[in-house]
Amino acid sequence: AQSVTQPDIHITVSEGASLELRCNYSYGATPYLFWYVQSPGQGLQLLLKYFSGDTLVQGIKGFEAEFKRSQSSFNLRKPSVHWSDAAEYFCAVGTSGTYKYIFGTGTRLKVLA
Amino acid sequence: NAGVTQTPKFQVLKTGQSMTLQCAQDMNHNSMYWYRQDPGMGLRLIYYSASEGTTDKGEVPNGYNVSRLNKREFSLRLESAAPSQTSVYFCASGSGTGGTYGYTFGSGTRLTVV
Repeated sequence: AQSVTQPDIHITVSEGASLELRCNYSYGATPYLFWYVQSPGQGLQLLLKYFSGDTLVQGIKGFEAEFKRSQSSFNLRKPSVHWSDAAEYFCAVGTSGTYKYIFGTGTRLKVLA
Repeated sequence: NAGVTQTPKFQVLKTGQSMTLQCAQDMNHNSMYWYRQDPGMGLRLIYYSASEGTTDKGEVPNGYNVSRLNKREFSLRLESAAPSQTSVYFCASGSGTGGTYGYTFGSGTRLTVV
């Protein structure tokens, strides 16, 4: 079955510390992978996406993610977290022309001053 | 500003009442989507429209209907609201075929059914 798992419901980090949010997927076809961020009371905003090619992709707000096919993972990273990064983060997977992307259940990030 | 606009932002309905959630995008995207977001369940697709004139069911379509009025507008209708439809509803439009290049989301409608 196709699925996306974000193992961590909540993560707390100190401002300035590094961050890694985990995403694992199960998908039969070649996956297209996405990370979105949702600030409180807002819609989701696309951070970055992976289709093919270089497995390390750069996104907005200083985020990056690495696609590891052997581990079925697409983890999101940031070297130094800012207080404004506190939000909920969603991983999503689909494939070309599918129209039915699958979203993970989200990881809520708290940043300590 | 370019983007996806949803109305209303908040709504309280009584069980059995009907309402329509409106969505419009000005990015010239072909595909549009309606999702619901519930705590601990992520986003679940209700309906989508691959292009003007077409609509298809998603994961949780029961109790909802949609209309793709034109390329810009995609509305979601609840004919007889139930408490189980209390949720936050998001409209999105997709860049590229099937949203291949990602979605742009509206800011959501928070619906409470009492």
